[in-house]
Amino acid sequence: TQLLEQSPQFLSIQEGENLTVYCNSSSVFSSLQWYRQEPGEGPVLLVTVVTGGEVKKLKRLTFQFGDARKDSSLHITAAQPGDTGLYLCAGATGGSARQLTFGSGTQLTVLP
Amino acid sequence: DAGITQSPRHKVTETGTPVTLRCHQTENHRYMYWYRQDPGHGLRLIHYSYGVKDTDKGEVSDGYSVSRSKTEDFLLTLESATSSQTSVYFCAISVSGGYTDTQYFGPGTRLTVL
Repeated sequence: TQLLEQSPQFLSIQEGENLTVYCNSSSVFSSLQWYRQEPGEGPVLLVTVVTGGEVKKLKRLTFQFGDARKDSSLHITAAQPGDTGLYLCAGATGGSARQLTFGSGTQLTVLP
Repeated sequence: DAGITQSPRHKVTETGTPVTLRCHQTENHRYMYWYRQDPGHGLRLIHYSYGVKDTDKGEVSDGYSVSRSKTEDFLLTLESATSSQTSVYFCAISVSGGYTDTQYFGPGTRLTVL
């Protein structure tokens, strides 16, 4: 069984602060996806990273895939209350992302 | 919006009763999934389907069965519900695109087994 460990599990910060969420595994993944989930809704894809060392930016969010494709990080700059939510990483094996292994999630709360 | 609906959205049932959850998609995607989400566990795959009548087990399939008689519908059945199956259940589809697929999720069904 492939495991993805996310840290921290909970994070509460003030508006304007920066934060980083980590996703680590001993397994190699062909790609890694980050999702954001709001209460009462399903997860929504934020980004997919495929290449080792890849960095993708989505406005104030920066995603990095580790060189060995075993870990990833999500960095948020100048967090806003609208960033509040559950952030999930998910690793895929094989050539597609048809089967995903999810991390346990990071619950982020950004206080105004 | 990937055209995924789940029904019911909320259900309370008693231990030992059968329960069926329905996932419906409008875009004829081949791959469909059922996950459960519990605090501290993220999303765990129960079963998935890769076509009509083609299904396979996921990580936590014990106590669950699935059926897919039409492309658009994927049913999850708890033959005899137990309290440990209290959870939020999500259906997902996989959409092919570029170098990798993307999974889109339904709104979820909150199931409580008393």
